Amino acid sequence: DSGVTQTPKHLITATGQRVTLRCSPRSGDLSVYWYQQSLDQGLQFLIQYYNGEERAKGNILERFSAQQFPDLHSELNLSSLELGDSALYFCASSPREGSYTIYFGEGSWLTVV
Amino acid sequence: EDQVTQSPEALRLQEGESSSLNCSYTVSGLRGLFWYRQDPGKGPEFLFTLYSAGEEKEKERLKATLTKKESFLHITAPKPEDSATYLCAVQAGNNDMRFGAGTRLTVKP
Repeated sequence: DSGVTQTPKHLITATGQRVTLRCSPRSGDLSVYWYQQSLDQGLQFLIQYYNGEERAKGNILERFSAQQFPDLHSELNLSSLELGDSALYFCASSPREGSYTIYFGEGSWLTVV
Repeated sequence: EDQVTQSPEALRLQEGESSSLNCSYTVSGLRGLFWYRQDPGKGPEFLFTLYSAGEEKEKERLKATLTKKESFLHITAPKPEDSATYLCAVQAGNNDMRFGAGTRLTVKP
């Protein structure tokens, strides 16, 4: 158990809908990362937050947004969902920025039908 | 642009047959290179962090090494339970962590 908690574990929704994925980082970790992993692709970096501020952005679609709250939990919002958004979404956390190991949660499986 | 390339894509070994996985990287200002293990449907599990060329880390049957352009994950006398996808990632000056596509290892008894 990495200490990173993600909810929900599984989610099935229809195209065009909006969902929110939630992540609680490890106790004491200030930095949160979001990744997407599709069946035919590796881990794609989406976005990183540090202590509530956005710090790095990867291949995140405009339909997706994220935030980190004062209690350090983070949410990833996915809207106008398409079939291609079906994937495993991972949250990871690390103590601070810089060359620190990041620890992953177990992921949220999103299926868009 | 930062790039991470892992080879081979897939590797099948007999139990006890040692081998190595490769991770080649092109980044500006490497801050760290990381190895993870991922089982199907699970989150990546941290294995090693390497920070500078020449550094080596070991854990059970695994040993990771780092040069200025690549890293190797050596697996000595693997067992079936070592079967997983092994991911390499690099962290550069912009803080984000970029992953390679992984090597899918299968160890047959």
